[in-house]
Amino acid sequence: GENVEQHPSTLSVQEGDSAVIKCTYSDSASNYFPWYKQELGKRPQLIIDIRSNVGEKKDQRIAVTLNKTAKHFSLHITETQPEDSAVYFCAASVRGESSGDKLTFGTGTRLAVRP
Amino acid sequence: DVKVTQSSRYLVKRTGEKVFLECVQDMDHENMFWYRQDPGLGLRLIYFSYDVKMKEKGDIPEGYSVSREKKERFSLILESASTNQTSMYLCASSPDRVRGNTIYFGEGSWLTVV
Repeated sequence: GENVEQHPSTLSVQEGDSAVIKCTYSDSASNYFPWYKQELGKRPQLIIDIRSNVGEKKDQRIAVTLNKTAKHFSLHITETQPEDSAVYFCAASVRGESSGDKLTFGTGTRLAVRP
Repeated sequence: DVKVTQSSRYLVKRTGEKVFLECVQDMDHENMFWYRQDPGLGLRLIYFSYDVKMKEKGDIPEGYSVSREKKERFSLILESASTNQTSMYLCASSPDRVRGNTIYFGEGSWLTVV
């Protein structure tokens, strides 16, 4: 099955700096890569996703890049703010006619933004 | 707004008890999931279901079973709770391939087995 590795496990940045979280996956058939943010005591929520036919996607201060050849994808947060402090999870899945949304998650990155 | 509701936020059960965790979604989603969240291990899939009365094992099904008698409800059952099942349990749902595939999570159920 799919295996997703995520690094780093913890990340501390100064407010205004950028943060980068990296994930690798093992199944070359994986074609859908979402990122979830989980604030303390709350449910994980989707913040951005990318499909394998796209190399990069941006949404305001958040961007995700995908390198299919190397089987890795990254989350980039620019101009970080204290409210970005949370645990971030990457995930991967194979999306096809016979498969559903069975996501395999990384182990999470705890991001702390220092004011 | 999609709503995934887990009936219990906090439970304390004794070893050997049978435990039911209930989950209901109100968006007519086809797919439902049960994940377990532990520090340093991320979210691990226990069971999932693509249709009523249909279930498939995830990555860590041992010690668990599920039931989906109605489309909107997906129950996780611990037949005989053990201390290593102390964890946060997250239910989730997603539409179908036509309507989209974003997974929506419930608030989570914190289970302590003593």
